[in-house]
Amino acid sequence: AQSVTQLDSQVPVFEEAPVELRCNYSSSVSVYLFWYVQYPNQGLQLLLKYLSGSTLVKGINGFEAEFNKSQTSFHLRKPSVHISDTAEYFCAVSDPAYNTDKLIFGTGTRLQVFP
Amino acid sequence: DADVTQTPRNRITKTGKRIMLECSQTKGHDRMYWYRQDPGLGLRLIYYSFDVKDINKGEISDGYSVSRQAQAKFSLSLESAIPNQTALYFCATSESGGAGTQYFGPGTRLLVL
Repeated sequence: AQSVTQLDSQVPVFEEAPVELRCNYSSSVSVYLFWYVQYPNQGLQLLLKYLSGSTLVKGINGFEAEFNKSQTSFHLRKPSVHISDTAEYFCAVSDPAYNTDKLIFGTGTRLQVFP
Repeated sequence: DADVTQTPRNRITKTGKRIMLECSQTKGHDRMYWYRQDPGLGLRLIYYSFDVKDINKGEISDGYSVSRQAQAKFSLSLESAIPNQTALYFCATSESGGAGTQYFGPGTRLLVL
């Protein structure tokens, strides 16, 4: 069964600094990969997704992620964070072979941006 | 107006009580999901439904039941609530063939005393 690992439960960073949130998934022939963001007291919102094609995926709010099949990783990056990026970020994976859209989520990374 | 709504947004109940959480969507999606979120555990799938007549258990369905009353409505019931069901519950929808993109409601915070 698929699994997702987010090694960092919390990432503190100063405003305007770069950030990388790490995500690794268990190996599979093919996967769809997602990053969702949860702002305080809100539901989850899709940041970006990888289905196929270019391994560098750009999302909303200046975030991007790179799919690395050999390392089974899908790390999320932003070159310069804002206070408003403070939120919890979830990596998720689904298996296209099953056509169920079922998502397996990681445990989340809380990004705290300080002024 | 929100595409996926959940009611109630907050609920406090007592052990042993039956409680229903409701989800409605205006996105016209076939697929609907119920998750629970616990600190440090991420989101875990409770039940999912691909249409009104197709309901499936997720990884943590014990103690829960669901009803898909219409394409737009998907309810989650706790037949006899227990304290370890205290959590944040999310409903989500997706379009069949939509390559996994799910759209989430704002969540229901449930406290079982």
